[in-house]
Amino acid sequence: EAGVAQSPRYKIIEKRQSVAFWCNPISGHATLYWYQQILGQGPKLLIQFQNNGVVDDSQLPKDRFSAERLKGVDSTLKIQPAKLEDSAVYLCASSLDRQEGFPLHFGNGTRLTVT
Amino acid sequence: KNQVEQSPQSLIILEGKNCTLQCNYTVSPFSNLRWYKQDTGRGPVSLTIMTFSENTKSNGRYTATLDADTKQSSLHITASQLSDSASYICVVNPAGGSYIPTFGRGTSLIVHP
Repeated sequence: EAGVAQSPRYKIIEKRQSVAFWCNPISGHATLYWYQQILGQGPKLLIQFQNNGVVDDSQLPKDRFSAERLKGVDSTLKIQPAKLEDSAVYLCASSLDRQEGFPLHFGNGTRLTVT
Repeated sequence: KNQVEQSPQSLIILEGKNCTLQCNYTVSPFSNLRWYKQDTGRGPVSLTIMTFSENTKSNGRYTATLDADTKQSSLHITASQLSDSASYICVVNPAGGSYIPTFGRGTSLIVHP
């Protein structure tokens, strides 16, 4: 099966600019996650979708981050305006369902550098 | 608060040697624990899943253990290879609720020839 697709692979922007990331999950996967991974740390959950509804966005900095999952398939994550501390890898993951037995399948991430 | 602690933070070993990575958690109620391998520049990939009733599970040269009473897990790598160089992340899934997995910070393993 095709894996989780993410684009772009790399992005360099200046602070206060905006940026958007795109994710295409594995076909049929109901649950989609966006994670932020700072160098040397484990992934930190930003938002979890179940189909096209938000399950948890408690750690999403809503003053600058937004995410949507139209039609319960593809998803976009946007940052506006970006800060230096947003430099990180943004990982998208999907799973068949959000119950505990299913593994997360990750994309290779988008490496964001904010200068 | 649900937490997952991993040790050591980093580890350097010679090719062919064995090593053991540790994971302690406070997630409750507990459903299962997964070990993920993350190669540099790639997303994490699931290696193994441990449920409440399982004590040991092997996947090739990887052997995971779980002690649900002490809330500890370990990942043992036998006869290490250069390709084992990666970050190993312990992820604990709660039973019920919003099913939000809790991630550890990972152990960075470097295997030298």
